[in-house]
Amino acid sequence: DTGVSQNPRHKITKRGQNVTFRCDPISEHNRLYWYRQTLGQGPEFLTYFQNEAQLEKSRLLSDRFSAERPKGSFSTLEIQRTEQGDSAMYLCASSLASGEETQYFGPGTRLLVL
Amino acid sequence: AQSVSQHNHHVILSEAASLELGCNYSYGGTVNLFWYVQYPGQHLQLLLKYFSGDPLVKGIKGFEAEFIKSKFSFNLRKPSVQWSDTAEYFCAYGGTYKYIFGTGTRLKVLA
Repeated sequence: DTGVSQNPRHKITKRGQNVTFRCDPISEHNRLYWYRQTLGQGPEFLTYFQNEAQLEKSRLLSDRFSAERPKGSFSTLEIQRTEQGDSAMYLCASSLASGEETQYFGPGTRLLVL
Repeated sequence: AQSVSQHNHHVILSEAASLELGCNYSYGGTVNLFWYVQYPGQHLQLLLKYFSGDPLVKGIKGFEAEFIKSKFSFNLRKPSVQWSDTAEYFCAYGGTYKYIFGTGTRLKVLA
């Protein structure tokens, strides 16, 4: 059973550059989530997809952030014109919509904006 | 707004000591509650979960948690910790879709 995978694991970029992260969920999972985690905090919800539909976006997700899940499988999270405040761990999770739904997390992509 | 509080930010224990980590949530409706663990250099892993039924939930690696509805609590316990339990522990409340996480508790177990 392969878990949730994320690429890249680490990304260093200069302020103002665009970055894109990829998440591959557990294959049979129809829901996919993005969270952001900063030092000393728990993960904070950013957005989620059910199949290819993006159903909810947090206020944390500014206009510079966009997420897609074009075929209901993998997802990408793009940050345009990165700022130093975007430095964080970006986590992806997936789940199977059910009455006792449980989210399984990937290893995350650690972003450092210089 | 829904929130999850973990009052112990850092805990240091000796091996074989008993562990209890506090977790309180704010929402009073249907609750789905989770404890996740993050070992150094690894990703978040599910320790245990509660949806309904027996309020005493057993998880992996000897951990258990008790859901007390009247106290809005879901404390994590382990009778005897090991050095390998050194990790960060997160309590989470699961709503319709998103999880609300606490700020985490860093546990260090001294050999």
